[in-house]
Amino acid sequence: EVVLTQSPATLSLSPGERATLSCRASQSVRSSLAWYQQKRGQAPRLLIYDASNRATGIPARFIGSGSGTDFTLTISSLEPEDFAVYYCQQRSDWPPTWTFGQGTKVEI
Amino acid sequence: EVQLVESGGGLVQPGGSLRLSCAASGFTFSSYDMLWVRQSTGKGLEWVSAIGTAADTFYPDSVKGRFTISRENAKNSMYLQMNSLGAGDTAVYYCTRGRGNYFDYWGQGTLVTVSS
Repeated sequence: EVVLTQSPATLSLSPGERATLSCRASQSVRSSLAWYQQKRGQAPRLLIYDASNRATGIPARFIGSGSGTDFTLTISSLEPEDFAVYYCQQRSDWPPTWTFGQGTKVEI
Repeated sequence: EVQLVESGGGLVQPGGSLRLSCAASGFTFSSYDMLWVRQSTGKGLEWVSAIGTAADTFYPDSVKGRFTISRENAKNSMYLQMNSLGAGDTAVYYCTRGRGNYFDYWGQGTLVTVSS
């Protein structure tokens, strides 16, 4: 089973700053990795899929990169609405198994 | 507009059963894989079941043999039958739509509480 490890657990930043979130896989997942944003009291929302593709309606300040075992989500300039928890996620081929990282909280 | 609406959550005693439903709209339901994901209070996300367009099903070991996912395309609905529930199953359960390897739409979630 692929284990996803996110770091740091918490990121304390101010609006306008750059956020860099990391997700490391225990074995290669090629480019099959997604990022989700979850605000308090809401369901997660897909931000990035296939490591670097923004989902529909996602602002350009959200940038995904990486392949293999090391992935990064960069928020180029934090907006007030970006303070939330972010999860990475991958799917193993067979048997199909979907796993998430433990999350990174981006706080003011 | 894609909408996923869960129902059926509530309080159940340990060892009990519960059936969750997900009503889908705004897309061709039969053409998509559908999945359930849960989140314990203050904790992370855990995938709990998946059903493909051909009604093939998949589960993690944590729920295999206890949970059963199903779909009814004529009603644009998906279900999760949960048996032998324990405290570890207490969580918000989300209905999600599968897009390739990912979850592109999520419902608002339904809370399941297992307690005596």
